[in-house]
Amino acid sequence: EAQVTQNPRYLITVTGKKLTVTCSQNMNHEYMSWYRQDPGLGLRQIYYSMNVEATDKGDVPEGYKVSRKEKRNFPLILESPSPNQTSLYFCASSLGGQGRWETQYFGPGTRLLVL
Amino acid sequence: AQSVAQPEDQVNVAEGNPLTVKCTYSVSGNPYLFWYVQYPNRGLQFLLKYITGDNLVKGSYGFEAEFNKSQTSFHLKKPSALVSDSALYFCAVRETGGSYIPTFGRGTSLIVHP
Repeated sequence: EAQVTQNPRYLITVTGKKLTVTCSQNMNHEYMSWYRQDPGLGLRQIYYSMNVEATDKGDVPEGYKVSRKEKRNFPLILESPSPNQTSLYFCASSLGGQGRWETQYFGPGTRLLVL
Repeated sequence: AQSVAQPEDQVNVAEGNPLTVKCTYSVSGNPYLFWYVQYPNRGLQFLLKYITGDNLVKGSYGFEAEFNKSQTSFHLKKPSALVSDSALYFCAVRETGGSYIPTFGRGTSLIVHP
């Protein structure tokens, strides 16, 4: 089954404790991205990647890191989480290319609470 | 700069009636426009997109949207609503030739009453 998977689905942590949220897709998609969803703000893009070893900042990259060493994986790293990073996080992927990358497939989401 | 507005936080409609979820956008040049739907406790699902060509775009689950350049709108429509259409709907825009960062609206909650 074609899908985007995220782990963990739920995470409670404390301020300053490094964490990683994994994202994997099995569709051989070139484009991957991370979003956070906050009430009343919609989705905001954190980082995106056009292909392996090619990452770029989205609208809200502060406090986050990403890497794209393999085409299928795009982990999100919070080196020192803070309470304002409490949010619902989504990973997404798409084929890429003109007119195609906008058809993004989203993972199920990771709900993060930073105490 | 690009932006998108969904002026209604919530839309209520009776089952069987037509529904409209509104979206307006602002870009410097030409837009790519798309709609996504989010069911409770799920990720977003792609519904439809406007890239170029016909102003009326048909998508999944019987939904369609009309691109109106003069009014800078891209309203989502369905002729006959189902209770199962109840969900959160997001409009998004990206300017052609711009960065690969889409801007999403805040979302509109659609509630279809039996």
